[in-house]
Amino acid sequence: DTGVSQDPRHKITKRGQNVTFRCDPISEHNRLYWYRQTLGQGPEFLTYFQNEAQLEKSRLLSDRFSAERPKGSFSTLEIQRTEQGDSAMYLCASTPGRGSYNEQFFGPGTRLTVL
Amino acid sequence: EDKVVQSPLSLVVHEGDTVTLNCSYEVTNFRSLLWYKQEKKAPTFLFMLTSSGIEKKSGRLSSILDKKELSSILNITATQTGDSAIYLCAVTQGAQKLVFGQGTRLTINP
Repeated sequence: DTGVSQDPRHKITKRGQNVTFRCDPISEHNRLYWYRQTLGQGPEFLTYFQNEAQLEKSRLLSDRFSAERPKGSFSTLEIQRTEQGDSAMYLCASTPGRGSYNEQFFGPGTRLTVL
Repeated sequence: EDKVVQSPLSLVVHEGDTVTLNCSYEVTNFRSLLWYKQEKKAPTFLFMLTSSGIEKKSGRLSSILDKKELSSILNITATQTGDSAIYLCAVTQGAQKLVFGQGTRLTINP
C-alpha cells in the first residue's frame, strides 16, 4: 500500500456521460500527477499539479478533460461527454516535490469503461 | 519527440533463469530513469538511476544506467514465478513528469 488512494476503482458509463474521478495523494506530497494507461501500453502523462497550481497539461489532453486540486490536497479528474476511446486505466501518482529526484508513488487506478 | 523504448516486449523463461530487460531513451532535459513493476494493479517502484555506471541492487534485482548510450538494463537473477509482471521503464524530465516505455511482459514458468 503506497498510500495514494483513488475512487472509484471501476467505472462503467455510457458514451456521452460525464465522469469524475478522485485522487488522494500521500499526505504532504506537493506534486500530484495524472496518467492514463491503455492495454499493452505504458502510462501516458496527462497533467500535474504543484500544490493547487496546475503547471502542465499534455497536448494530447482534449478540452473534454479537466482536472482540479482546489486546496492542494486531493485532486479530481473530470471527463465530459465520454467517448469509447476514453476507456482506460486512469492512474494518479504523488511525490514530495522537494529536491530534484523523487520517485512517484502510484495509486491503484480507476478503470473506466465507456459503452 | 521524447521517446522511451523497451525490449523485448515479451519474454517467457523458466523459473531459475536470469533475465535482462532493456530500456533506451531519447528525451530532452533528462533527469533520472526509473524502473517500476506492474502486476494487476498500479506500478510499484523498483529503482531510480541518476548516475551512469553505478549499479543499484535490491535482492535478486539490479539495474544500471549508461548515459553515453542513453540506455539502462534491469537484471533479475534466479527468477521466481512471483517475478511475473510487466516491467516499466520511465524517464523523468523537466518538472519530473514520467515518460514511460511500453513495458516488458515477463512470464516465469515453473
